[in-house]
Amino acid sequence: KAGVTQTPRYLIKTRGQQVTLSCSPISGHRSVSWYQQTPGQGLQFLFEYFSETQRNKGNFPGRFSGRQFSNSRSEMNVSTLELGDSALYLCASSLAGTDYNEQFFGPGTRLTVL
Amino acid sequence: GQQLNQSPQSMFIQEGEDVSMNCTSSSIFNTWLWYKQDPGEGPVLLIALYKAGELTSNGRLTAQFGITRKDSFLNISASIPSDVGIYFCAGRDNYGQNFVFGPGTRLSVLP
Repeated sequence: KAGVTQTPRYLIKTRGQQVTLSCSPISGHRSVSWYQQTPGQGLQFLFEYFSETQRNKGNFPGRFSGRQFSNSRSEMNVSTLELGDSALYLCASSLAGTDYNEQFFGPGTRLTVL
Repeated sequence: GQQLNQSPQSMFIQEGEDVSMNCTSSSIFNTWLWYKQDPGEGPVLLIALYKAGELTSNGRLTAQFGITRKDSFLNISASIPSDVGIYFCAGRDNYGQNFVFGPGTRLSVLP
């Protein structure tokens, strides 16, 4: 069974631009969560999507948004990029987001904002 | 909000030695996960724990769900060079849908 895939793996943008990252979960997994990882803040939860609905949201500004499609694939978008948005963005998929449900991570997208 | 602490923050050990690290929470959790992350890659799930007192092994790795439900432990026996990386714990309580992650323990194995 293929793992979680994320595209692109690396991205360089400039301040003010916007970016869209993609995540394909493990086949059969319906929950996709997004995290931001930085050396200073560690792994920070962005949001979780389940059945095309945002079910949970972390403490990030509205510039960070996401969506999920009917095939469970998910995208996250960051608008008006800031230098501080440079980070490794990870998505994790799980079966249903409820009990007895481990999260499996993709390799991440390394975003650099210049 | 919920916070997880991991200790030690980093450790240097000799190849062949056993390793112990732990994770503590300010609140009660009903699920603990342990991950290992290599540079430039996503975290890889090592062990999942769902019951207080549960002890689960995965090869040379053993993890335990603390009785108080506020902590968890990970042990690695007979360490090898490929054990190098950052180990993260993650926990979730009965009310939250998302996992909270610890800051990680960076493990270095000296030959």
